[in-house]
Amino acid sequence: EVQLVESGGGLVQPGGSLRLSCAASGFTFSSYWMHWVRQTPGKGLMWVSRVTNSGSSTIYADSLRGRFTISRDNAKNTLYLQMNSLRAEDTAVYYCARVSPHWHFDLWGRGTLVTVSS
Amino acid sequence: DIVMTQSPDSLAVSLGERATINCKSSQSVLHSSNNKNYLAWFQQKPGQPPKLLIYWASTRESGVPDRFSGSGSGTDFTLTISTLQTEDVAVYYCQQYDSAPLTFGGGTKVEIK
Repeated sequence: EVQLVESGGGLVQPGGSLRLSCAASGFTFSSYWMHWVRQTPGKGLMWVSRVTNSGSSTIYADSLRGRFTISRDNAKNTLYLQMNSLRAEDTAVYYCARVSPHWHFDLWGRGTLVTVSS
Repeated sequence: DIVMTQSPDSLAVSLGERATINCKSSQSVLHSSNNKNYLAWFQQKPGQPPKLLIYWASTRESGVPDRFSGSGSGTDFTLTISTLQTEDVAVYYCQQYDSAPLTFGGGTKVEIK
């Protein structure tokens, strides 16, 4: 089955760190660019970051650059998001998403909830 | 950044009737190189991730019922549900993938009247 499964979310204190993972299966992970997108009840969907299929190029939302790092391990079919210096406003469900050959998101994981609170 | 503005925020439609959702981008998402609009529509139900309905503004994703259609070009787009079914109750989002940062509309909640 073609799927993405996120993990690593949870409760973390402000200023803390967390690493999210996204395990891919059922397709050739190394052929696809991947993204992270987050969703908060108040502010809807927000794009977070993108990595190319090789991992050689990454981009970030301006507001997150310097705190978040996207990476991937194609041997393990896994995408990562390292989140540092977390703030209450980073509380959200984080989704990983696959980019189709036509550039749109064609596959999403079910998401992992990150809660930043003391 | 390209700002995506959806309207209305919510709408209630009778079963079997038409639902129309609008999406406007602050700048064109039409690529002159291939004459494609880099605009997608997603459906999201509670507790689920967004599901792709339409890409390139008007191309229906495989498996999506043909009552869903997308139209528009440049900066103005529409998602139409021709005959609303119970299972179509959801929030619908437009998204541009023309340029980073990728951006989403605020969502339109569709309910049964």
